[in-house]
Parts: sequence; C-alpha cells; structure tokens
Amino acid sequence: AQSVTQLGSHVSVSEGALVLLRCNYSSSVPPYLFWYVQYPNQGLQLLLKYTSAATLVKGINGFEAEFKKSETSFHLTKPSAHMSDAAEYFCAVSLTGNQFYFGTGTSLTVIP
Amino acid sequence: KAGVTQTPRYLIKTRGQQVTLSCSPISGHRSVSWYQQTPGQGLQFLFEYFSETQRNKGNFPGRFSGRQFSNSRSEMNVSTLELGDSALYLCASSLAPRANGADTQYFGPGTRLTVL
Repeated sequence: AQSVTQLGSHVSVSEGALVLLRCNYSSSVPPYLFWYVQYPNQGLQLLLKYTSAATLVKGINGFEAEFKKSETSFHLTKPSAHMSDAAEYFCAVSLTGNQFYFGTGTSLTVIP
Repeated sequence: KAGVTQTPRYLIKTRGQQVTLSCSPISGHRSVSWYQQTPGQGLQFLFEYFSETQRNKGNFPGRFSGRQFSNSRSEMNVSTLELGDSALYLCASSLAPRANGADTQYFGPGTRLTVL
C-alpha cells in the first residue's frame, strides 16, 4: 500500500499565481510529514515539516502546508509563484517502526 | 556549519565494474542514509547507518553495500555494475536514527552515476 501519494506529477502555474501541490498519506496514526524541494542537479532541501505542534506549518521561501487529519492530507501552498520556484517537490512521511517514504514527486513549472 | 558532502559528484563506469561513493555528514550527525533516485522508480531507500551499524536496509540486491566509519563518514559500494544502476545516489544525514521520526534528514548534492 502506498503510504504517501502526490497527485499530479506535473503542475504548471503562471508567475504570481497560487501554487498548490497535493500530498495524501495513509496511516492510522498521525505521522510526521515533510516537504522537500529539489532543484536540477542538486540534492533535496527541506521546505517544512509537520511534527504535531501546529497544523499550519510555515516553511522557507514563502511556502506553507496544512495538516488535515480528516482528509489525511498535507498539501503545500504558496500564494504567489515565482520563477525560482520551478523545481521538483517531494512529500515524505515518517511512520513508526522506522518507516520513511517519499512520494513520487511533483514537477512544478512556472510560466512567465 | 558545513552541509552534507558527497564525492565524487559524477562518475562514469562500465558494466561489470565496481564503484565506491563517499558521504560526509553534517558535523555531529551520526545517522547516514543512502537513497537511489531514478526517473522511473523515484527515490528508493538503500540503507541507513547509525554509529557504524547498519540499522535498516531497503530492497536492493547484495551488490549494494555500505559502511560507516567512526567519524560518521559513510561509503557505499556497488559491485558488478549493471546498466540499471545508473542513477543519482543521495546521501542524507541526521542527528538521530530515522526511527526517531521527527528528526530532519539533510541531503547532500548527490553522485550522478552513469553505467555504460
């Protein structure tokens, strides 16, 4: 069973438009959740993480994500896209028992 | 504080050869995990080392192995390379083992391995 699902392998937005990248997890207990960004030919950089302290998590570069237990979702948003946001975004879930899974990634294109 | 470093950044090998990749974690981090990233399979977990002990291993053949030294630096080795081993190999370090859950993994830039 897929522990984390990212809907939409490719997302395109216009510069200045809202960015919404979707992530759903499957777990009976609230997991720890992460969003990472990967720029071309680079490693992964942590954008933000949810560790149960607050359901709305603010990250770097103006990104934020909201943990919704009822929807088992942790969608990533940014009010206004910038050209520099073009990258691959990965959602990851950490479960008990040393289980850590990455989603398949969403490639974000920003159209000028 | 310096980030995670990986060497070399790029490698070209031929089938049947073996390769060793190196990863130096952030100072003070004792956990090192390795991942393989390919367009078709995405990010797949290879193994994790903590305090020189392998704590967890992904579903990869025995050709993939690793080790960790007393200074937390880690190496991974792939023997008898196959075309399908071409990938970006990422190393990540953290203070605590992955089982900790909330601890953040910090990634290096990766080693791009091409097998011809």
